Amino acid sequence: GAVVSQHPSRVICKSGTSVKIECRSLDFQATTMFWYRQFPKQSLMLMATSNEGSKATYEQGVEKDKFLINHASLTLSTLTVTSAHPEDSSFYICSAATDRDTEAFFGQGTRLTVV
Amino acid sequence: QKEVEQNSGPLSVPEGAIASLNCTYSDRGSQSFFWYRQYSGKSPELIMFIYSNGDKEDGRFTAQLNKASQYVSLLIRDSQPSDSATYLCAVNTNAGKSTFGDGTTLTVKP
Repeated sequence: GAVVSQHPSRVICKSGTSVKIECRSLDFQATTMFWYRQFPKQSLMLMATSNEGSKATYEQGVEKDKFLINHASLTLSTLTVTSAHPEDSSFYICSAATDRDTEAFFGQGTRLTVV
Repeated sequence: QKEVEQNSGPLSVPEGAIASLNCTYSDRGSQSFFWYRQYSGKSPELIMFIYSNGDKEDGRFTAQLNKASQYVSLLIRDSQPSDSATYLCAVNTNAGKSTFGDGTTLTVKP
């Protein structure tokens, strides 16, 4: 299967600071990338869908000014958690899909802890 | 009603047995269906996908889809302790955009 690399895998930051998470498709061009959040013992919740070169589409209840998404190229999307607070601590996962297939491939995930 | 529902579990089976995981979905327009395995603290990994009614087999795994009943299942034959994980059912209506069930935790006991 295709490879999606997510970085960093783990980050601890202070409350009020911003954190950037990168998601790269290594061996294919990803027209669409998805960002999910997963709290302990819960399922994945879609936060936003990003298409290369256009603004991300956010799911209801997700603050677009807090979770900044940039999809500048067909192989890279970034999620920036701005002014992070302890309640933002979670497991953030990206996935990427081509425009030909309906399956998406997941990155390794980023464990964010805000202290 | 949730868009994707899975049997709540946890499910426990002895090593070598068949594990059966079930999933129902509400959107009749759903086109593709996926089973992911997620180990604790890790990202999901794709096990199977199925698009057409019927069975699809891959090694010890068989996915079954019945669009009329809006039902998809995953059978794991000859279950191994390494199969112990949470299994997520995902349903796509648009390319790549998945709605996930809450997952079923499977434990395979040696």
